[in-house]
Amino acid sequence: EPEVTQTPSHQVTQMGQEVILRCVPISNHLYFYWYRQILGQKVEFLVSFYNNEISEKSEIFDDQFSVERPDGSNFTLKIRSTKLEDSAMYFCASSERLAGVEQETQYFGPGTRLLVL
Amino acid sequence: AQKITQTQPGMFVQEKEAVTLDCTYDTSDQSYGLFWYKQPSSGEMIFLIYQGSYDEQNATEGRYSLNFQKARKSANLVISASQLGDSAMYFCAMRDHDQTGANNLFFGTGTRLTVIP
Repeated sequence: EPEVTQTPSHQVTQMGQEVILRCVPISNHLYFYWYRQILGQKVEFLVSFYNNEISEKSEIFDDQFSVERPDGSNFTLKIRSTKLEDSAMYFCASSERLAGVEQETQYFGPGTRLLVL
Repeated sequence: AQKITQTQPGMFVQEKEAVTLDCTYDTSDQSYGLFWYKQPSSGEMIFLIYQGSYDEQNATEGRYSLNFQKARKSANLVISASQLGDSAMYFCAMRDHDQTGANNLFFGTGTRLTVIP
């Protein structure tokens, strides 16, 4: 069964460094998302992406964050200058479009656990 | 703005018994979708079940069913015949449509279910 994949599974970085989290959505999906989950807290929406552009972003998704679809398969989240409070699990998700309609279910990747020291 | 409330931080259930996890929501939208995801200790987010606001029948997926009471704005998850592998965090979520049709999910704080042998 097709699935969303994410790399790396774990990332440790120093405060102020740039990190790039990578995702490969399910191949026929057209909508892509990033969410984050700070340890012990709920999952929070960061950004949605469709047709090669951001469709919506939350207040968490400030100027230090960016997303990109560099090729036909990858979807990346870049954090330019990491802060201690960026430590979290980051989930990528995707959903498909059928007959011109967005399908409801988002399928999540396994997550990347980011630790900023 | 959407709001999801899960009032049970933790629940215990005896193996083979049924359990209900509560979820209430608040929205002014007429069209919305409700989801339940399972998050085991390994961290991934596993889609369980979906209910659309216009669906007249309660959704069912194997041992999972969603007790949808629209007037009360509740979408409780019922797990029948609990198994030890059901021990996990369970998140209720609601989707919000943005202008492109992309679905952004908003999550509750979760309920940690422990199945007792």
